[in-house]
Amino acid sequence: ETGVTQSPTHLIKTRGQQVTLRCSSQSGHNTVSWYQQALGQGPQFIFQYYREEENGRGNFPPRFSGLQFPNYSSELNVNALELDDSALYLCASSSGGYNYGYTFGSGTRLTVV
Amino acid sequence: GDSVTQMEGPVTLSEEAFLTINCTYTATGYPSLFWYVQYPGEGLQLLLKATKADDKGSNKGFEATYRKETTSFHLEKGSVQVSDSAVYFCALGSSGAGSYQLTFGKGTKLSVIP
Repeated sequence: ETGVTQSPTHLIKTRGQQVTLRCSSQSGHNTVSWYQQALGQGPQFIFQYYREEENGRGNFPPRFSGLQFPNYSSELNVNALELDDSALYLCASSSGGYNYGYTFGSGTRLTVV
Repeated sequence: GDSVTQMEGPVTLSEEAFLTINCTYTATGYPSLFWYVQYPGEGLQLLLKATKADDKGSNKGFEATYRKETTSFHLEKGSVQVSDSAVYFCALGSSGAGSYQLTFGKGTKLSVIP
């Protein structure tokens, strides 16, 4: 059973650019969530995808968008990058609600300069 | 909205010492409560959970009891090891508009010295 894999592991972008982060969910998991973890903080919920549709969103602007594919893998896109977007981005997959348990990936460390 | 407050670190303990990390929460409804652990350079791992009041979650010698009257979910371990050094996050799970989300505290860094 493979876990959640994220790519790339590290990324450096310039302010104003766009970035795409990728996540392969654990086998059998149909729900994917994305979290942003700023340095020294707890993760914050960005959004969740189920059956290829966004079904929940945290307090993040529309320039944060995502996709889920038929194989349940997912992408997080961020447009018009700002310095404050520098963070660890975590993907988590689940076979249902949070009580079923989330499996987190190791994250993508994004640095915006 | 929902929120989680946990004791600030860092916490430094000697091996075999007793560990308590305090966690309190604010939530509407009846959330589930979780402790996650993050080792350096890794993602989050679920340590234990409790889904209703008075439930006790336990794993690897760690325990936490869901106390609704004090809105708390304190993490305890009787004898810590060097390998327990990590960052610990308290979290609550809530549902709304068809999604499930976790709300995390800021994390407590634990260092255990031999």
